[in-house]
Amino acid sequence: DQQVKQNSPSLSVQEGRISILNCDYTNSMFDYFLWYKKYPAEGPTFLISISSIKDKNEDGRFTVFLNKSAKHLSLHIVPSQPGDSAVYFCAASPSGTYKYIFGTGTRLKVLA
Amino acid sequence: DTGVSQDPRHKITKRGQNVTFRCDPISEHNRLYWYRQTLGQGPEFLTYFQNEAQLEKSRLLSDRFSAERPKGSFSTLEIQRTEQGDSAMYLCASSTRGTNSYEQYFGPGTRLTVT
Repeated sequence: DQQVKQNSPSLSVQEGRISILNCDYTNSMFDYFLWYKKYPAEGPTFLISISSIKDKNEDGRFTVFLNKSAKHLSLHIVPSQPGDSAVYFCAASPSGTYKYIFGTGTRLKVLA
Repeated sequence: DTGVSQDPRHKITKRGQNVTFRCDPISEHNRLYWYRQTLGQGPEFLTYFQNEAQLEKSRLLSDRFSAERPKGSFSTLEIQRTEQGDSAMYLCASSTRGTNSYEQYFGPGTRLTVT
């Protein structure tokens, strides 16, 4: 039972354009969400977080949107850069715990 | 602050052998987590510690797996009688107390290959 889903395994975007990565979840008890970027042979790098009491959080080029009624969150990267090419994971934490459940990732390729 | 470190980075072992991995968290972080990642999947939660107390264990953590954090600083993950299905990347993460306690920072991982 995949509680956190990233339905697009890959995405290609032109440099300078917007990248939108999507994530859906099934458990309404998730109360904290994270996005990570991962390069090959490295651990995931934390990008941005959002609490369930918010619907948007912004940090530089990265913005995360949360739609609780749709159980959907998205990561926007503007403008996209070639160095953003990596695998992106969303992760969700059930209320009352510090563990995270991860999606299967979306591979982003930013074309120069 | 050098971030989360893990040792070794790579380990090749024969089926049936025991292996032990070490994780050193970011120095002021009181929570430490272990995850496992296999090809094409996201990290899967194994266990976590708050200081030296092991507060949660996944059902993925069979009896062959044991984790310790004896002094609330570094942690070890031991796998006994390794099986080929244990081949994976083992990731350690840590988080602080307070406002940003839900943000977890990962180390580079230990890649285990069981032959």
